Amino acid sequence: DGGITQSPKYLFRKEGQNVTLSCEQNLNHDAMYWYRQDPGQGLRLIYYSQIVNDFQKGDIAEGYSVSREKKESFPLTVTSAQKNPTAFYLCASSIQGWNEQFFGPGTRLTVL
Amino acid sequence: AQSVSQHNHHVILSEAASLELGCNYSYGGTVNLFWYVQYPGQHLQLLLKYFSGDPLVKGIKGFEAEFIKSKFSFNLRKPSVQWSDTAEYFCAVNAGTGRRALTFGSGTRLQVQP
Repeated sequence: DGGITQSPKYLFRKEGQNVTLSCEQNLNHDAMYWYRQDPGQGLRLIYYSQIVNDFQKGDIAEGYSVSREKKESFPLTVTSAQKNPTAFYLCASSIQGWNEQFFGPGTRLTVL
Repeated sequence: AQSVSQHNHHVILSEAASLELGCNYSYGGTVNLFWYVQYPGQHLQLLLKYFSGDPLVKGIKGFEAEFIKSKFSFNLRKPSVQWSDTAEYFCAVNAGTGRRALTFGSGTRLQVQP
């Protein structure tokens, strides 16, 4: 089946630790995105990538980092510099930047 | 920067009532508009989209939306809601700027009572 997978579904992290969230897509989409979802705030864009080996900061990139070494993969690292990392993280992809986005199931990160 | 406003944060309706959720955006140029829905425990999925042409667009599950350029609005409607429509609804805009990514509204939580 074609789609977007995110792992793990739940993730717990101690303060001061970096953690990496996985996102893989087999839709052959060029563009990939990371959003953060908090109650009452909708989805906020963290990073996006329109093509392999290129990515841009979104609205709330501070404390996060990404890489795009392969078309199908766009991992997100939440670093210890992120002051409030507890949230639901959504990965998405689209054929191109102007088109509709398809979303993965999300990863819920909790900082203990 | 572009922004999207959804003024209804929480809506409670009885089954068979009509629904209209407001969405306004701030960008004055060419836009692509979307409504997404997030059912409890499920992926975010596309309800409908507008790129060009007829400003009244129809989506899945009986939903429709009307693009009114003069009002910078893209309101979502459904004539008769069902309990299964209980979900969170997000409006999103992709404006004709260099940034090729969606800007989302804060979402509207719809609760339909049987």
